[in-house]
Amino acid sequence: DTEVTQTPKHLVMGMTNKKSLKCEQHMGHRAMYWYKQKAKKPPELMFVYSYEKLSINESVPSRFSPECPNSSLLNLHLHALQPEDSALYLCASSQERSGGSSYNSPLHFGNGTRLTVT
Amino acid sequence: QKEVEQNSGPLSVPEGAIASLNCTYSDRGSQSFFWYRQYSGKSPELIMSIYSNGDKEDGRFTAQLNKASQYVSLLIRDSQPSDSATYLCAVLSNQFYFGTGTSLTVIP
Repeated sequence: DTEVTQTPKHLVMGMTNKKSLKCEQHMGHRAMYWYKQKAKKPPELMFVYSYEKLSINESVPSRFSPECPNSSLLNLHLHALQPEDSALYLCASSQERSGGSSYNSPLHFGNGTRLTVT
Repeated sequence: QKEVEQNSGPLSVPEGAIASLNCTYSDRGSQSFFWYRQYSGKSPELIMSIYSNGDKEDGRFTAQLNKASQYVSLLIRDSQPSDSATYLCAVLSNQFYFGTGTSLTVIP
């Protein structure tokens, strides 16, 4: 059982839709991440929140909009996506963003949301 | 130069054999190293963390780290068909960097 919970597990959306992906962790971690993973590729970093503040945005298109309502929750708002955005979207958490005092904290991933854009 | 490099494989080993997975990294300042297992269609699962030079054993898994050579490896002893997956090496420096993964198939 994962301690990082993502919903929904699967999502199919049209290019004009607006949807949101949700992530929740109860491990007391202060850093939360969104990754995108295409088939047979490693996870690709999108956003990092550290202490509820956006600390890294890896030049992600504005059709992806992250939100961190509190230290346990992370959302990813989706609007006007393209078919090439279809992928597995992974949420992860760690005790601290890399570079902080908890330098040895691994990433803990949720089960992911399989997104298909039609 | 890629931050983290792995042989993409595929790597095939017979059941009961030792599988050896290798990873090199470019940032000498990296402090923390992780191995993740990812089954097809699933999310990565942490299986090993290693922070200092030498070997670290956990059940059938042994991680080896050599910071001078910037090399980290994962040995899986007594490989089982259930070990068939992609193994991702991750290195933590200023952020997490992932290798491209090595696909392992254990043949019954």
